[in-house]
Amino acid sequence: GEDVEQSLFLSVREGDSSVINCTYTDSSSTYLYWYKQEPGAGLQLLTYIFSNMDMKQDQRLTVLLNKKDKHLSLRIADTQTGDSAIYFCAESLRGFQKLVFGTGTRLLVSP
Amino acid sequence: DTGVSQNPRHKITKRGQNVTFRCDPISEHNRLYWYRQTLGQGPEFLTYFQNEAQLEKSRLLSDRFSAERPKGSFSTLEIQRTEQGDSAMYLCASSSVDRGTGELFFGEGSRLTVL
Repeated sequence: GEDVEQSLFLSVREGDSSVINCTYTDSSSTYLYWYKQEPGAGLQLLTYIFSNMDMKQDQRLTVLLNKKDKHLSLRIADTQTGDSAIYFCAESLRGFQKLVFGTGTRLLVSP
Repeated sequence: DTGVSQNPRHKITKRGQNVTFRCDPISEHNRLYWYRQTLGQGPEFLTYFQNEAQLEKSRLLSDRFSAERPKGSFSTLEIQRTEQGDSAMYLCASSSVDRGTGELFFGEGSRLTVL
């Protein structure tokens, strides 16, 4: 099936680390992605990870992939108020024919 | 700016009217996607094109919806006889098969409000 699940809400204080979790269903997904959406805007690609990797680091972002459990996480180090947004994970299906998105996690960063 | 461009950004219409949205993808991208997003939800796949060929349509895409990409460049999404349930953000994205990583690049979206 095509089902990507995320927790709905996360609240952290500025300077803390944020961890956003996602579970997906398609074990054949080649790539998994994290997107960020600010209010009233489209989706901005943050990072992606190839399915044969278990970790990818990109500046303040760390992606962890547990393929056995079909679990993906995004860690944001030193979270800033500008990181407040909705974060979506997505899996690719059938050789990139389409991406399936989760429902999104709203991250609220308080000063 | 060579990003994905969508027009109009906002459209308010009365129930029963037809609306059309346009998407101009990143110029070298051969794939173009339409997604729909309602409040509090993630984007839901509607359809996609590779060049001018429409390769897949979601069950969400009723016969009131039609999408075209006549020359393999820009695309239009038309909704006929709009209903209040069509109110949503319509997102266009493009990608290049040649990149081999599958990521989609999104436009800012076209928000539809049906009164």
